[in-house]
Amino acid sequence: GAGVSQTPSNKVTEKGKYVELRCDPISGHTALYWYRQSLGQGPEFLIYFQGTGAADDSGLPNDRFFAVRPEGSVSTLKIQRTERGDSAVYLCASSLTFLGEQFFGPGTRLTVL
Amino acid sequence: DAKTTQPTSMDCAEGRAANLPCNHSTISGNEYVYWYRQIHSQGPQYIIHGLKNNETNEMASLIITEDRKSSTLILPHATLRDTAVYYCIVRVWKSSSNTGKLIFGQGTTLQVKP
Repeated sequence: GAGVSQTPSNKVTEKGKYVELRCDPISGHTALYWYRQSLGQGPEFLIYFQGTGAADDSGLPNDRFFAVRPEGSVSTLKIQRTERGDSAVYLCASSLTFLGEQFFGPGTRLTVL
Repeated sequence: DAKTTQPTSMDCAEGRAANLPCNHSTISGNEYVYWYRQIHSQGPQYIIHGLKNNETNEMASLIITEDRKSSTLILPHATLRDTAVYYCIVRVWKSSSNTGKLIFGQGTTLQVKP
């Protein structure tokens, strides 16, 4: 079956712009996670959704970052007033339950010029 | 969550077993050991997990010491496609925490050589 998909695969933007990154989880997976990975580092947790609600947003670095999952399926990570330090690969993962194996998408590479 | 310590890099000859160590000396009784790997330019991929017993699946074996302070991931017959960064993660397993986030370290870069 289809895995986790993320769009776009690459996004180049200018400092100060707004961006949206989309994640399509595996159908039926109730848990959805966003991670961010900088070059040479392991993925860093950002936010976790159980259904439609954000159950843990402790990893969001500041209030420029926001994520939604309005219907409990697709999720969008939104970044306002982008900064060069936001450049990274943004990974999405889903799992059947919040303790199940997480399946990762290929990521969106964000470059802020 | 407990932290893990892994070697930065390792080499392995193709066809030989790759043994990747991980130290997790502060692990708690309700924490599981998970292994993921990340092949270049892809998202992480689940390999295996365990609590205190040794585990085996079609990808690998996981050996956890009796005191649970360390573990070893074994790829029995490494191939070139196993070249990746391998992450050892200690994860809390309790329903009251209501979060399944993974805390990644920097992992071990395994280079399988012909």
